[in-house]
Amino acid sequence: DAGITQSPRHKVTETGTPVTLRCHQTENHRYMYWYRQDPGHGLRLIHYSYGVKDTDKGEVSDGYSVSRSKTEDFLLTLESATSSQTSVYFCAISESNGGSNTEAFFGQGTRLTVV
Amino acid sequence: KNEVEQSPQNLTAQEGEFITINCSYSVGISALHWLQQHPGGGIVSLFMLSSGKKKHGRLIATINIQEKHSSLHITASHPRDSAVYICAVTVSGSRLTFGEGTQLTVNP
Repeated sequence: DAGITQSPRHKVTETGTPVTLRCHQTENHRYMYWYRQDPGHGLRLIHYSYGVKDTDKGEVSDGYSVSRSKTEDFLLTLESATSSQTSVYFCAISESNGGSNTEAFFGQGTRLTVV
Repeated sequence: KNEVEQSPQNLTAQEGEFITINCSYSVGISALHWLQQHPGGGIVSLFMLSSGKKKHGRLIATINIQEKHSSLHITASHPRDSAVYICAVTVSGSRLTFGEGTQLTVNP
């Protein structure tokens, strides 16, 4: 199995509190992604990173921020959690160098409930 | 319009049937991925392909670059194949873009 872990796996938090989810990889892949998965929407990209300190927004980035200070860690922060951010969050990694691509690997997901 | 479109969205089959899930994309890609997600489970990569055809056991994936189309076939389907199948593309040297997935249910 690819070395990618998410923490925590489950979290319940109150509206208005900050929450940080962590994605850790041991594959040294350049690309890291945070997605949310909701019924009827499939996987939607929140933010992604293409290197240390290089990040960009996805299609549902409002209310989220990310940081990547090391190749192996990609953090997703909800500055002030809202009930609409109740979801399952997946981290993924991939590599793409000059047209050479690797498979995409996913973490096991984090189930976040905002009450 | 999504860059990656999958069809059908939902598919119910009887055990033993041959199943096809389709994926069309509208951008230039360097690779296409087929992924599988079981209920309550994580997401695993089934195939990554950029041309031709790949086969793992009862699963076959094909891609036609000119037509911007890929298919995932399951032969002799089994209830344990019930899952969400997701198509994703790597836009040249860039990030992954996903289709919305196909929910497959195989009844015994």
